[in-house]
Amino acid sequence: NAGVTQTPKFQVLKTGQSMTLQCAQDMNHNSMYWYRQDPGMGLRLIYYSASEGTTDKGEVPNGYNVSRLNKREFSLRLESAAPSQTSVYFCASFRGELFFGEGSRLTVL
Amino acid sequence: KNQVEQSPQSLIILEGKNCTLQCNYTVSPFSNLRWYKQDTGRGPVSLTIMTFSENTKSNGRYTATLDADTKQSSLHITASQLSDSASYICVVSAVQAGTALIFGKGTTLSVSS
Repeated sequence: NAGVTQTPKFQVLKTGQSMTLQCAQDMNHNSMYWYRQDPGMGLRLIYYSASEGTTDKGEVPNGYNVSRLNKREFSLRLESAAPSQTSVYFCASFRGELFFGEGSRLTVL
Repeated sequence: KNQVEQSPQSLIILEGKNCTLQCNYTVSPFSNLRWYKQDTGRGPVSLTIMTFSENTKSNGRYTATLDADTKQSSLHITASQLSDSASYICVVSAVQAGTALIFGKGTTLSVSS
């Protein structure tokens, strides 16, 4: 089992460009999450999906959109990237505890 | 406001020594508390989960304690190894619908030889 898989692992964007971070889990979990992690800030919730077909905003949703494509996949989209979105992004699935992916490191110039 | 505070922010110890990390929370109503280990460049991995009725739980050289009355938890690492160098994150779960996981900012532990 791969657990939670995120792609890409690294990405450099210019201000205003768009991109989608992909996440897939093979553990048949209902709940999935997107977090960002910045130095000194800890992990902050962007969006979450309690089940297929539902999504809800977290603590820092501005500038992001999500899609829960099916039970396995939960993608995060930046429509117009800004330097403030430079961060490490983690996807996680949940059943009793969080299972995290390895992270996607995004730099916006 | 639900909050989780961790101390110290960072810690440096010599290999073989013991250390204790602290987590204080104001989350209510409390459901459970988790400690995660995050190696540099990796995603967090669960070390232990503690419920309201549990006082102590061990996972190898890691021992977590919980005092639900004072709303404090500690993670004790015995006979530290270089591989213990990581960030340790305390996560408290509240009994509520939706986003019920409150994260601490973590303690960065460096073990030197």
